[in-house]
This record gives sequence, C-alpha cells and structure tokens, in this order.
Amino acid sequence: TQLLEQSPQFLSIQEGENLTVYCNSSSVFSSLQWYRQEPGEGPVLLVTVVTGGEVKKLKRLTFQFGDARKDSSLHITAAQPGDTGLYLCAGRNAGGTSYGKLTFGQGTILTVHP
Amino acid sequence: DTEVTQTPKHLVMGMTNKKSLKCEQHMGHRAMYWYKQKAKKPPELMFVYSYEKLSINESVPSRFSPECPNSSLLNLHLHALQPEDSALYLCASTPGAGDNSWGYTFGSGTRLTVV
Repeated sequence: TQLLEQSPQFLSIQEGENLTVYCNSSSVFSSLQWYRQEPGEGPVLLVTVVTGGEVKKLKRLTFQFGDARKDSSLHITAAQPGDTGLYLCAGRNAGGTSYGKLTFGQGTILTVHP
Repeated sequence: DTEVTQTPKHLVMGMTNKKSLKCEQHMGHRAMYWYKQKAKKPPELMFVYSYEKLSINESVPSRFSPECPNSSLLNLHLHALQPEDSALYLCASTPGAGDNSWGYTFGSGTRLTVV
C-alpha cells in the first residue's frame, strides 16, 4: 500500500505570510497532484507534476516534485484570505492492479486571517 | 462542458431506504470514480470504472452498488445504509485511467445523511 504523509495538518496564519506544505512517501509515484477544496465542494486540481525535480508556478503558488518522485511541496507566498481551504496532495499509481488509482495525503487545513 | 455534475446535492435517508446517487459528465472521459469523504479528511476511493467496466472495488460493503450505464453516466445505488455511512460522496472523471498527467475533475458531491 502506498501512503502519503502530508504536513502540517493544520495551519493558521496572517495575511501576507508565507507557508509551505509538505507531502512525503517512501514509495515512488508516477505523478503527484495538488488539489484545493472548499467546504461543501469537490477538490479542484491546482497542478500535476510528473518529472522528478520539476518545479511549477501558479501565481503565488510554487509546487516542487522531489528528484526521486517520493515527495512534493507546495509553497504559498504572501497568503491571502482567499487561499483558505483544505489542500490535498495525491499520488497517482500507474500499472498493475492499482491502475488509475489516486492516493491522497491526509490534507492540510489552511486558514488565512485578514 | 468541463464539469462533473452530481445529483442530488443533499440526501437524507433512513436505514431501510433505497436511494441512488447520480453522476454525469460530457467531457468524453472514459474513467469515472466514486470517492467517500468524511469531514476534514481526504477522499477515500470506493470504485473505479474504466471504459464502463468496473476495474477497482476497494472492498466496499455490498450495500453500495455502483453502475455505469454508459460512458457519461455513473450511478451509486444505496440500500440498508448505516449512520456511519453519512459522508460527502464525490464523483470524479479522467480522460482514461492510465496517463500519469491527467488530473481528476471532481463533482461538487452529494452530502448524504443516514438517519
């Protein structure tokens, strides 16, 4: 069973601060995805990283995939109240009996105070 | 159309009731998924359909019965549920099941309460 450990579980910060969320595993994933979910809604895909060492930027969000494709991080610069939500990392398996399966981390509940 | 539509949005059912959740997408995606999510927890995979065939069943109790009548529609039939089955049920789709780079498109979910 492939597991993803996500940390921190909770994060409460002031507007303008920077933060980093980590996602780690002992297993190799073929790709790593990050989602953001607001209460009462489904998760929305932010980014997919596929290549080891890959870095992607989405406005104030920077995503990194570890060289060994076992870990990933999400860094938010100058957080805003609109960034508040549940952030989920998810690793995608490929091949074998887990074909197409997505393994989620435990999630990080981010609250950004004005 | 870039959405996954789930109905109903909310459902309250008794433990002896039979109900169904519906999921629809018109993006031409050939893989569809059911996830169960408890409050402030990550989604847990229940079923995966690939090209309208059940490819993964994560040892889900038989009181949950999935159905994929066609490539655009996914149903989840519910019967004799327990209060602990109360959760947000999410449907998702991807173009196929095998490409690493495909992100999931999730619906907004059905909030199910079993009384």
